[in-house]
Amino acid sequence: QKEVEQNSGPLSVPEGAIASLNCTYSDRGSQSFFWYRQYSGKSPELIMSIYSNGDKEDGRFTAQLNKASQYVSLLIRDSQPSDSATYLCAGWGGNTSGTYKYIFGTGTRLKVLA
Amino acid sequence: GAVVSQHPSRVICKSGTSVKIECRSLDFQATTMFWYRQFPKQSLMLMATSNEGSKATYEQGVEKDKFLINHASLTLSTLTVTSAHPEDSSFYICSARPFGQGAHQPQHFGDGTRLSIL
Repeated sequence: QKEVEQNSGPLSVPEGAIASLNCTYSDRGSQSFFWYRQYSGKSPELIMSIYSNGDKEDGRFTAQLNKASQYVSLLIRDSQPSDSATYLCAGWGGNTSGTYKYIFGTGTRLKVLA
Repeated sequence: GAVVSQHPSRVICKSGTSVKIECRSLDFQATTMFWYRQFPKQSLMLMATSNEGSKATYEQGVEKDKFLINHASLTLSTLTVTSAHPEDSSFYICSARPFGQGAHQPQHFGDGTRLSIL
């Protein structure tokens, strides 16, 4: 069973701090990973994608991928209360009848305290 | 770019009614779309993968006669919940993956449909 695992949290950080969200995966064949933010009652919103080892930065967000250790992380700098949401890690995997699908983690709930 | 439109955003109807939900990719073509269901405080659950011009692939435990999927064009997939009952009340979300742009493309999600069956 191919899996993506995340700590469900909640992860509480003070406003202005760095929030660090982590994700591990079991399928060494997975090549691409994605971080989504989901506010309560809303659908997921894509934040970052990463498929090369190392860091990828976009504004206050940095995604990190380490294929040897099979983990993906998301750093949020200068965290704001508006960043409070559930963050989902996903990777392509699971070949069902020749069609690939996302393997989602359960999500980490982030609370940024004002 | 990569906008997915889902309609309607909310449906309230009586038990026994059939409900159709549309998912459109507005600025890209998608041979593959995905339908998810999410109950409160739970993770997204993939229901089925919708393939343009062919039958959908359903996840284990999802009744294909209950949840009818049609993917008639490269920009439109529909999910019909037939004879809906209160236990079908949930948040239904579609997503689409751009066609022909390599293995690293993400899924783009619609805004979701909140279905309430009375």
